[in-house]
Formats: sequence, structure tokens, C-alpha cells
Amino acid sequence: EIVLTQSPGTLSLSPGETTTLSCRASQSVSSSYLAWYQHKPGQAPRLLIYGASSRATGIPDRFSGSGSGTDFTLTISRLEPEDFAVFYCQQYGSSPYTFGQGTKLEIK
Amino acid sequence: QVQLQESGPGLVKPSETLSLTCTVSGDSFSTYYWSWIRQPPGKGLEWIGYIYYTGRTNYNPSLKSRVTVSIDTPKNQFSLKLSSVTAADTAVYYCARLDIVATDVFDIWGQGTMVTVSS
Repeated sequence: EIVLTQSPGTLSLSPGETTTLSCRASQSVSSSYLAWYQHKPGQAPRLLIYGASSRATGIPDRFSGSGSGTDFTLTISRLEPEDFAVFYCQQYGSSPYTFGQGTKLEIK
Repeated sequence: QVQLQESGPGLVKPSETLSLTCTVSGDSFSTYYWSWIRQPPGKGLEWIGYIYYTGRTNYNPSLKSRVTVSIDTPKNQFSLKLSSVTAADTAVYYCARLDIVATDVFDIWGQGTMVTVSS
């Protein structure tokens, strides 16, 4: 199975800043089948990005994804207070679908 | 507006079978795949398996010997059974829609239900 490693584990930032989260795969993710989710405590995870760079419906353009092969990034520009959460990457290019361990974005 | 809601016991004894149901409202049940995903306390997300309305399933090999996902199309429900549970199966269990029409990803999730395995 494809193992996804996210870095860093935790980010402490202030609203208004811009940040980049990393997701590295143990082998190439076919057709850039890589998604990003935002997860807040007690809530359902929210799809942000699919196909490595396509924003899901209703996701503001402050969120952008890029990458291919084994290296992918999620960039969040101009952080808003509601953006702070845990972010997971997920590959769906091969079964079993796998998730990264998450990056926690916390308010500084 | 599509909604998914998990239901089932919050406490299961070791060696017994965990059973959960996900009720889907506001959606075309036969258009998508329907999945189970779990998150143990302090850990990441783990995909368990999915089912299509035809009954076609796909399971995570790590759980395949213990997992059964079934579907009840008239009731817009699908279910998870996980046998021979241990404390390692303690987790928040989510049901989710796998959108094979547009995105191929889990685009809508339930709120999740906590299941504790303990005697």
C-alpha cells in the first residue's frame, strides 16, 4: 500500500499568514489522485482538494493544491480564524485508499 | 442536501462483533459508492471499505478477514460489521460518500460515531 507522510506535524501560525503543508508518498500516486481534507474536532471531515489541484465545491480560492508523482502540497493563503484545524492528504490512485497522519494547524 | 448519519452501539465487548448503520438522506443511493472510514484516538484516518448498490464491495486488506459491508437500498442504508473486535478497534467510525461521478473522492461524510471496545 502507498504510505503518505505529512509534514510538519504541527504548525503554529497567525491569521493573515500563508502556509504550505507537505504530503509525500512512498510511491508514485497514479494520475495525481491525491485529495486534501480539513478536519475540526467533533465535525465531519471536509473535502478541500481532489485531483491534486482541483478545489471542491464551495472551497475558497485561498486553498490551493499542487504536485504530482510523490510530492504534493496544500497552500493556504491569508489564514482565516476558521481555517485552523487538522489537514489530511489521501491517495485514491490505488487500493487500499490511504491517508496521511495529518498536519495540525494551530493559532499562534 | 445530502446527509449521512451513523448509528449503533457505542460500547462493544472484546471478541464480539461491532455493528453500525449509516442512513443516507437526500441523495440518489444507486449513483455512488458508500464507504466506512475510522479514526482511532490520537491517530490518523483508516479506510475500511466501500459498497456499491449492486453489492460490489472492496475492503482494506488489513481488515478484510473481519469486515462485512452490506447495503439496504430501499431503506437508503448501508452497514458495517467488524468481527472479533479488540481494543485496537476503538475509534470514531465515519460513513462517507465516494463520488465516482465527478471527483472519485470522499466528498460527503457523516459526523462520526465513537465506538469503544471494552469489557
